Amino acid sequence: DAGITQSPRHKVTETGTPVTLRCHQTENHRYMYWYRQDPGHGLRLIHYSYGVKDTDKGEVSDGYSVSRSKTEDFLLTLESATSSQTSVYFCAISPPRGPRGTQYFGPGTRLLVL
Amino acid sequence: GENVEQHPSTLSVQEGDSAVIKCTYSDSASNYFPWYKQELGKRPQLIIDIRSNVGEKKDQRIAVTLNKTAKHFSLHITETQPEDSAVYFCAASPGLTGGGNKLTFGTGTQLKVEL
Repeated sequence: DAGITQSPRHKVTETGTPVTLRCHQTENHRYMYWYRQDPGHGLRLIHYSYGVKDTDKGEVSDGYSVSRSKTEDFLLTLESATSSQTSVYFCAISPPRGPRGTQYFGPGTRLLVL
Repeated sequence: GENVEQHPSTLSVQEGDSAVIKCTYSDSASNYFPWYKQELGKRPQLIIDIRSNVGEKKDQRIAVTLNKTAKHFSLHITETQPEDSAVYFCAASPGLTGGGNKLTFGTGTQLKVEL
């Protein structure tokens, strides 16, 4: 499982509230990614990080922000949750060993915005 | 940006038959093509990947082929078994750069292996 955990695993929240999801890894990986998964869309990249305090936007970044103040944690924040952000969120890492660029996913967080 | 199309969206086969899932991509700079399997309620799991300097790669009952000229790649599963039933995703990327490896995914194929 590449030492990746996500928290919380399930969350129900109300429209307009801020939400923070956490991705934690124990193996000092440099590259970390946040994806969302929705029926009919596959997985879409939200934001990614290539080091501490180094982040960039992905394909569907509007309404999301990220922070990475230490190597092991990559936080995804929904600044003001909307019903369109109801989704399953996956964190991924690219390990330094093995094929460069290969990504492994965390267990996911299921978010419901009412 | 990259666009990946995946077909079919659903595929039903009899146990023991072969299954083929096809993907096309748009960006000629893409050179890394992984395939993921996702069981219901679980995370996507990497099952095989191929890089642009290789035309075919096999791992037991699974094989992937790549045609860079036509910009398409395919997943082949032989001797299918019920445990192969899952959603399969293809993806493409230009490979690892200083900014990471940004994968673009297809929309998935629901494979059902019937007894």
